[in-house]
Amino acid sequence: KAGVTQTPRYLIKTRGQQVTLSCSPISGHRSVSWYQQTPGQGLQFLFEYFSETQRNKGNFPGRFSGRQFSNSRSEMNVSTLELGDSALYLCASSLGDFDYNEQFFGPGTRLTVL
Amino acid sequence: AQSVAQPEDQVNVAEGNPLTVKCTYSVSGNPYLFWYVQYPNRGLQFLLKYITGDNLVKGSYGFEAEFNKSQTSFHLKKPSALVSDSALYFCAVRDMGGSGNTGKLIFGQGTTLQVKP
Repeated sequence: KAGVTQTPRYLIKTRGQQVTLSCSPISGHRSVSWYQQTPGQGLQFLFEYFSETQRNKGNFPGRFSGRQFSNSRSEMNVSTLELGDSALYLCASSLGDFDYNEQFFGPGTRLTVL
Repeated sequence: AQSVAQPEDQVNVAEGNPLTVKCTYSVSGNPYLFWYVQYPNRGLQFLLKYITGDNLVKGSYGFEAEFNKSQTSFHLKKPSALVSDSALYFCAVRDMGGSGNTGKLIFGQGTTLQVKP
C-alpha cells in the first residue's frame, strides 16, 4: 500500500502571500489530520477532517484553513503568510473510526516564509 | 485537558545497552497512548500503542513500552540499543475532548535519542 504523500515537499513564500498544501492519505483511510512542527513549539495540531467534515480544530488563527474532498484527499491553506508560519507541516491519515486508530504520517512540507 | 510530558530533552546510551525514553501523561478516563519516531527530514513513524489490557506493549523495531496507571507513565524501552535507533521520539495521548468518537493527538515535546558506538 502506498503511504501518505504530501506535495510540494518544499515551498518558499514571502510575507503576505498565501499557500496551499496537499495531502493524499493511505487508500481506505477517511481521516486526515494536519500538524505544524517547529523547533520552539513542537508538534501542534491544526485540524482533522473525516468524510469531508472538519471534526476537530486546534488553536490556530483563521488564516489557517483546510478541506477534504470526496476521495479523502485534503488541502490546507494559509493566507496572509507571516514569518512565524515557517515550519514543517505534517499530514497524517488514519481509518478514523476509533480513537485508538494510529495515524500514519507523510514526509511533510517544509514551508519557509521570507 | 489531556497532556503528555517527556521530561528528558536528550537521552544518551551506548550501543548494546538498554534504553528508556520517559513519558508521563495526564488524562481523564482511560488513556490511548502512542509512541512515534522521527528521523531527520522525515515524517513520524508509528512504533506502538496502548489501548487496554497487557501493560507491556510490543512494537516495531524491537521497541516496547510499559504502561503504569498508578504512575501515569508510558515509558519506551528497548533491551539493546542500535546506532540506527538514534532519532527523535514522541509520546502522544489521544485528547478525548473532541466531538464524536475521536479526538486529536496531543504530543510531548520529543526526546532525542543518541546511541553511540
